[in-house]
Amino acid sequence: AQSVTQLGSHVSVSEGALVLLRCNYSSSVPPYLFWYVQYPNQGLQLLLKYTTGATLVKGINGFEAEFKKSETSFHLTKPSAHMSDAAEYFCATFTGGGNKLTFGTGTQLKVEL
Amino acid sequence: ETGVTQSPTHLIKTRGQQVTLRCSSQSGHNTVSWYQQALGQGPQFIFQYYREEENGRGNFPPRFSGLQFPNYSSELNVNALELDDSALYLCASSSPGQVADTQYFGPGTRLTVL
Repeated sequence: AQSVTQLGSHVSVSEGALVLLRCNYSSSVPPYLFWYVQYPNQGLQLLLKYTTGATLVKGINGFEAEFKKSETSFHLTKPSAHMSDAAEYFCATFTGGGNKLTFGTGTQLKVEL
Repeated sequence: ETGVTQSPTHLIKTRGQQVTLRCSSQSGHNTVSWYQQALGQGPQFIFQYYREEENGRGNFPPRFSGLQFPNYSSELNVNALELDDSALYLCASSSPGQVADTQYFGPGTRLTVL
């Protein structure tokens, strides 16, 4: 069954520094992969998704992710962190015939001055 | 275009009671999925409704049930509430036929069971 694993439950970066949030997937077929962001006391907002085609996916708020089949990874990056990026980030994939999202355990991003 | 809305935003119940949570899907979407997010965890899939029929269910007991109406809005009902049911309940809508059926989430309902 398809699943995702997020490495690092907490990541702290300085404002202006590179953001790297890690996600590895387990799938016997080409997966659909998603990154969602959750701000405190809010629902989930889609940042970006990978379906097929171009392996470098650009999302909102300057985030991007690269699908690497050889590494079974879909890490999320942003060149320069902003204070407003502080939130929890979830990697997700479809399972169960395509109608069920399975989420990773989440990574809390802290941005410091 | 109206996004996904949920009501109420917060709810406090006692053990053994029943609760109904409501969700209005995004305009043009005919599929609604429900997720439970316990504190500090990722969302867990409860079930999905497509054109008023249940279309997939996660590992939740039968006391979690749902409905979808002709206008594609949906309800989540939980009977015999337990303390562990305390969580953020998220509703997401999507429209099959789009690539990867992207799910768009509402703000959630925070349920506290005392």
